[in-house]
Amino acid sequence: GAGVSQTPSNKVTEKGKYVELRCDPISGHTALYWYRQSLGQGPEFLIYFQGTGAADDSGLPNDRFFAVRPEGSVSTLKIQRTERGDSAVYLCASSLKAVEPSTDTQYFGPGTRLTVL
Amino acid sequence: AQKITQTQPGMFVQEKEAVTLDCTYDTSDQSYGLFWYKQPSSGEMIFLIYQGSYDEQNATEGRYSLNFQKARKSANLVISASQLGDSAMYFCAIYTGKLIFGQGTTLQVKP
Repeated sequence: GAGVSQTPSNKVTEKGKYVELRCDPISGHTALYWYRQSLGQGPEFLIYFQGTGAADDSGLPNDRFFAVRPEGSVSTLKIQRTERGDSAVYLCASSLKAVEPSTDTQYFGPGTRLTVL
Repeated sequence: AQKITQTQPGMFVQEKEAVTLDCTYDTSDQSYGLFWYKQPSSGEMIFLIYQGSYDEQNATEGRYSLNFQKARKSANLVISASQLGDSAMYFCAIYTGKLIFGQGTTLQVKP
């Protein structure tokens, strides 16, 4: 597949449980982004990876949220001790990371809908 | 801090007519990018069009054009010859290291 893929597409969990969401970016894209979208809102930035390292994690809401990208390709967003307020669609995007950052187009995956009961 | 404002929560347009979706932005950066994305009911964010802050010409991509007025800090999306498949949520976003999105505008195209 040529696009960004995310698994699972839906995840239902109970309050207090641990969840992992996976993102597989477009081949060759070095930049990877995670966003969270609540119902009726625009996506909100969580974290950005350039290669294997987190270049900007300023959007992570608290220390229950963590993300990794160990080999510079697939990324996993990890949420510990889930709360009902974590329910949202989690979107992943990737980009080539153009020389001029402001031209860098991000391409999004279909998202993972997380429901915390 | 960067901010995007989309003041139209919902818009209607007749099929085959043109429609303008408003977007204003706020940033202190000199170099930035403005993006429009479409989100149909399926949920996927689809890239439509990009405008760089230093671009003098308005961006166009097929039926989409971006009316960029830098002094007014506006970046309105114009969709010409609307089609039923254009019914979706539309988001304006500014990039200065990460994308900051507006609240979105729901567009409904009437047959």
